[in-house]
Amino acid sequence: DAGVIQSPRHEVTEMGQEVTLRCKPISGHNSLFWYRQTMMRGLELLIYFNNNVPIDDSGMPEDRFSAKMPNASFSTLKIQPSEPRDSAVYFCASSSQDEQFFGPGTRLTVL
Amino acid sequence: AQSVTQPDIHITVSEGASLELRCNYSYGATPYLFWYVQSPGQGLQLLLKYFSGDTLVQGIKGFEAEFKRSQSSFNLRKPSVHWSDAAEYFCAVGVSSPTDKLIFGTGTRLQVFP
Repeated sequence: DAGVIQSPRHEVTEMGQEVTLRCKPISGHNSLFWYRQTMMRGLELLIYFNNNVPIDDSGMPEDRFSAKMPNASFSTLKIQPSEPRDSAVYFCASSSQDEQFFGPGTRLTVL
Repeated sequence: AQSVTQPDIHITVSEGASLELRCNYSYGATPYLFWYVQSPGQGLQLLLKYFSGDTLVQGIKGFEAEFKRSQSSFNLRKPSVHWSDAAEYFCAVGVSSPTDKLIFGTGTRLQVFP
């Protein structure tokens, strides 16, 4: 199994641009999580899905952030418009019965 | 609200020395407890987990952790540290189930000197 796949691995964009982060969970996992990691706030959950349905989006910072999971094998996290304070590493994770498996992350830099 | 505290931001040890990383949690019931490791530029890898039963759990890479309900702690230990153990270590709590959202501590960065 290839594990959780995230793309791109690095993204540099300018303030105001739209950014889309992608995640392919491990096949058979029915829960998917988006986390953000920054020096100031550490690792924080943004949103998670169960069977493609958003369960808890209380961690989504504001309306500029949106996440979708159109099917069991794909999810996106979109930021529109992006701001410099969105610069962070964004992790996607999927879970089996008792463990979350993390992807390698996308390092986002907003100039 | 549930929370996880890792009191040590940065720890430095010599190779071959023993290691203990502290983790305290705040939660009413017995939580689902995890330790993850993150190497530079990498994602998080699960070291070990505790749900119930024997309070001393063994993980990968020679790590172990002990759940102490009376102290609300889940400290990570290793008897002899290797240079390759240098990384950041995160303690996490699963709120309502092992696959529910995780609440992470702020992490402890481990540096290993030869």
